[in-house]
Amino acid sequence: DSGVTQTPKHLITATGQRVTLRCSPRSGDLSVYWYQQSLDQGLQFLIQYYNGEERAKGNILERFSAQQFPDLHSELNLSSLELGDSALYFCASSVGGQSYTEAFFGQGTRLTVV
Amino acid sequence: AQSVAQPEDQVNVAEGNPLTVKCTYSVSGNPYLFWYVQYPNRGLQFLLKYITGDNLVKGSYGFEAEFNKSQTSFHLKKPSALVSDSALYFCAVRTLNSGYSTLTFGKGTMLLVSP
Repeated sequence: DSGVTQTPKHLITATGQRVTLRCSPRSGDLSVYWYQQSLDQGLQFLIQYYNGEERAKGNILERFSAQQFPDLHSELNLSSLELGDSALYFCASSVGGQSYTEAFFGQGTRLTVV
Repeated sequence: AQSVAQPEDQVNVAEGNPLTVKCTYSVSGNPYLFWYVQYPNRGLQFLLKYITGDNLVKGSYGFEAEFNKSQTSFHLKKPSALVSDSALYFCAVRTLNSGYSTLTFGKGTMLLVSP
């Protein structure tokens, strides 16, 4: 158990809909990262938050957004969903932001868009 | 741009034999390199990292990796494979994004250990 909790584990929704994925980082970790894993794109970095503020952006679509709350949990919002958004979405956390330590990953949320 | 390459989609090895999963990197500056493993329907688990120091890094579950600067490689190794080692293995490199560190992953290598 990595200590990172993601809910829900599975999500099935229709095209055009909006969903929210939730992540609770390990106790004491200030950084939260979101990654998307798909068969064709592999593991892609989406966005990073550190202590409530957005710090780094990767290949995140404009239809996607995230935030980190004062209690350090994070949510990834996916809107106007398309079939191609079907993927495994991982959250990871680490202690630091600028000086890197290893990140610990949750078990992921499998999103299926039908 | 920082990147890693895993040249093999799949590695097959018999139980008890040594295994190697290959990774090469392309970075400017000193590389921070990582190996993660993903078991079916699970998240990624950290195995080991190289930041500085000894070129041979020891990690979890008996795995080790050898950092080779001249060959820009960071291959994952284990002296004696177990069937339970069968999983998807990812090499990763620290990437600086707006001054903050993230991970850039390779495409992954499926390791299959046969009994």
